[in-house]
Parts: sequence; C-alpha cells; structure tokens
Amino acid sequence: EAGVAQSPRYKIIEKRQSVAFWCNPISGHATLYWYQQILGQGPKLLIQFQNNGVVDDSQLPKDRFSAERLKGVDSTLKIQPAKLEDSAVYLCASSLGGSGGDTQYFGPGTRLTVL
Amino acid sequence: GNSVTQMEGPVTLSEEAFLTINCTYTATGYPSLFWYVQYPGEGLQLLLKATKADDKGSNKGFEATYRKETTSFHLEKGSVQVSDSAVYFCALKPSQAGTALIFGKGTTLSVSS
Repeated sequence: EAGVAQSPRYKIIEKRQSVAFWCNPISGHATLYWYQQILGQGPKLLIQFQNNGVVDDSQLPKDRFSAERLKGVDSTLKIQPAKLEDSAVYLCASSLGGSGGDTQYFGPGTRLTVL
Repeated sequence: GNSVTQMEGPVTLSEEAFLTINCTYTATGYPSLFWYVQYPGEGLQLLLKATKADDKGSNKGFEATYRKETTSFHLEKGSVQVSDSAVYFCALKPSQAGTALIFGKGTTLSVSS
C-alpha cells in the first residue's frame, strides 16, 4: 500500500514570496491533516479536512495561509506572503477518520526555509 | 485544555541499556495515546498506541501502558540498539471523533555502541 506522498521535499524562498505544498493521502482515507513542525518542537495542527470539508482550522493563520482539498483526495497548502517564522517542516497526514483510536499516517514532509 | 508533556532530552545511552522516556498528559474524557518515532531524515512513524486505560501498546521491543490514575504513558525498552537512535514523540487524540493529534515536544535518543 502506498503511503502519504508530499512534494516538494525541500523549498527555499525569500520572505514575502509565495509557496505551495502538495499532498496525496493514502487511498480511501477520508481525513487529511496538515501539521507545522518547527525545529525542536512537536507537530502542531494547522488544518483538518474530512473528505473535502474543513473540520478544524482554528490554528491556521488565515491572513497568509490557505488550504484546499478538492474532490476529497489531494490537498494543497499555500503560504502568501511567507515570513521568516514560517520556516518549518510541513507534514501531511491521513487517516480513515472517525474513531478516537484512528491511526494517522504521515508523509515525509516538506522542509521550508524562508530567507 | 489538552496537552502532552515529555521529558527533556537528549537521552544518551549505551547499547543494551534500559530506556524510559516519560510522558504525562492532560485531557478531558478518555483520549487515545500514541508514541511516534522520527528517524533521521525520515517522516513520523507510529510506534505504538493504546486506546483505553490499562491497555499496553507494544512494538519492536518498545512498550507503554496507559495509566489513567497517573495520566501517564511512559515509553520503555529493555535493551536499546544503535538503530533506535531517533526522536520520539508522545501524542494524544481527544476522545471526540474527528479530532487531531496533540504532540509533546519530542525526546531525542542517541544510542552508542
């Protein structure tokens, strides 16, 4: 079974530029998550989708971050304009969805460096 | 609110030593508890989980028991190997359906031969 795919793996941009990340979840997984992991910290949820609807985006900085999940499969996360503090690894995860013990499977992440 | 607290690292051990990484949590209701591992250059992988009190999760020689009375989920391994060197994250998933994971800050383990 293929895992969660993400691209690109690495991205370096200047502050105030825009950037987009792509995620393809495990086939059949209804729930998709984007996490931000700053160096030395645990991942923090940015946004959660159930199929193509948003479940939780309370920690997404909506003035600069946006995300969509068209047709309930692939998802893109965009930052515009980027700030220095956005330097982090952006993790995509997916799960079947629903129960509390539901396991989330993570992609390899995209490491963003903002100069 | 919900939160996870892990022991600070780094933890440095010799091969075959006993490992304990402490994890305590704050949550309402009955969360599920997880340990994830991140090997150098790789993504997060589920190591083990427990979904109710007194459950023991185990995998690859690692174990953790869900202790509701002490709100803990400590990770243990009887004999570590160099290949266990990684960052370990404790996480909880609140009992409400459709919620995301809440992670601790991670503990770096370094095992030398």
